[in-house]
Amino acid sequence: NAGVMQNPRHLVRRRGQEARLRCSPMKGHSHVYWYRQLPEEGLKFMVYLQKENIIDESGMPKERFSAEFPKEGPSILRIQQVVRGDSAAYFCASSPSRAALNEKLFFGSGTQLSVL
Amino acid sequence: DAKTTQPTSMDCAEGRAANLPCNHSTISGNEYVYWYRQIHSQGPQYIIHGLKNNETNEMASLIITEDRKSSTLILPHATLRDTVVYYCIVGGAGNMLTFGGGTRLMVKP
Repeated sequence: NAGVMQNPRHLVRRRGQEARLRCSPMKGHSHVYWYRQLPEEGLKFMVYLQKENIIDESGMPKERFSAEFPKEGPSILRIQQVVRGDSAAYFCASSPSRAALNEKLFFGSGTQLSVL
Repeated sequence: DAKTTQPTSMDCAEGRAANLPCNHSTISGNEYVYWYRQIHSQGPQYIIHGLKNNETNEMASLIITEDRKSSTLILPHATLRDTVVYYCIVGGAGNMLTFGGGTRLMVKP
């Protein structure tokens, strides 16, 4: 049973380009969460999605960032017109039901985004 | 913002028990206490969680005070591989498990 798969593992973009980060949850999991981690800091919640629905995006920057979790395929975190401050590790997690209700999260290995 | 307070770092001798404290004085009645660990550059790994009662699994034990305002993660026999960052977080309905800075445990031979 494969775990949460994220790709690419490393992504390099120049300022102004777009970054697309993909996350395939564990088999049987329909809840996906995206977190961002700056160097030497803890993880910051960004967005929580179920299939085809955004449940909570309270941690998402208002501009340039978007996320989706289509009926088929992986969840995508999209960052438009990247800036150097977007450089961070982006982690995806999944759970079979709503996390934090006596349910644990399973994390992927993350995507390290570097903006030149 | 994180709802927990943890020491930034702690030391422990190899083979001894590591006791990692966490304060969560504003915890609500329906919120669980979770512990995760993170090896550098990898995603966090679940360790244990609990609501009111103490919990034990193959990785660790979790001791929650009666008033639930603090807890302790116990690694019974620390090894050098346990030298990672440990996060204590609280979560419940509507809370997306916000991670704070965590505790960096240094296990020394």
